[in-house]
Amino acid sequence: EVQLVESGGGLVQPGGSLRLSCAVSGFTFRQFWMSWVRQAPGKGLEWVANINQDGSEKYYVDSVKGRFTISRDSAKNSLDLHVNRLRAEDTAVYYCARGNYVFDLWGRGALVAVSS
Amino acid sequence: IMMTQSPATLSVSPGERATLSCRASQSVSTNLAWYQQKPGQAPRLLIYGAATRATGIPARFSGSGSGTDFTLTISSLQSEDLAVYYCQQYNNWPYTFGQGTKLAIK
Repeated sequence: EVQLVESGGGLVQPGGSLRLSCAVSGFTFRQFWMSWVRQAPGKGLEWVANINQDGSEKYYVDSVKGRFTISRDSAKNSLDLHVNRLRAEDTAVYYCARGNYVFDLWGRGALVAVSS
Repeated sequence: IMMTQSPATLSVSPGERATLSCRASQSVSTNLAWYQQKPGQAPRLLIYGAATRATGIPARFSGSGSGTDFTLTISSLQSEDLAVYYCQQYNNWPYTFGQGTKLAIK
């Protein structure tokens, strides 16, 4: 089955860190750009970061540059997002999505809640 | 690029046509996608290239427009179409989404 499954979300204090992971199955992971998109509670969607097929190109929205790091492991069919120096405004469901700029497959999301 | 969707909420009776609008703050050519998000679910790609249906999307969904003004039309609304619909431009980085139109079944 073609699917993306996120894990690693949770409650974290401001300034804290988490590692989000996305397990990929059912398609040839190494052939696709991958992205992270987030959705704050009750809000719309925001593209966060993406990474090319071999991990040599990475792009971030300005609000997370220097704090978030996207990476991938083709041997493990896994996409990661390391989120550091978290702020209250980073509270959101983080979705793993297939694609560079059009996202044709999405995971169910992982909730990151930043609160003291 | 700012994407503005209207209306914020739309109520339509089953079998009727639903028309959702999306406007870009500057031209995005036809680099525009539409997504459907049902309650408690992840988004699903409906349309890309402003008018091309994604794999498995029913023919009742259609997209049109270019430049700054776009439309998603659902020709004959079904009860399962209750969802929030988002447009997204990918002409300019960073890629941006509209705030969504909530479609309710009357």
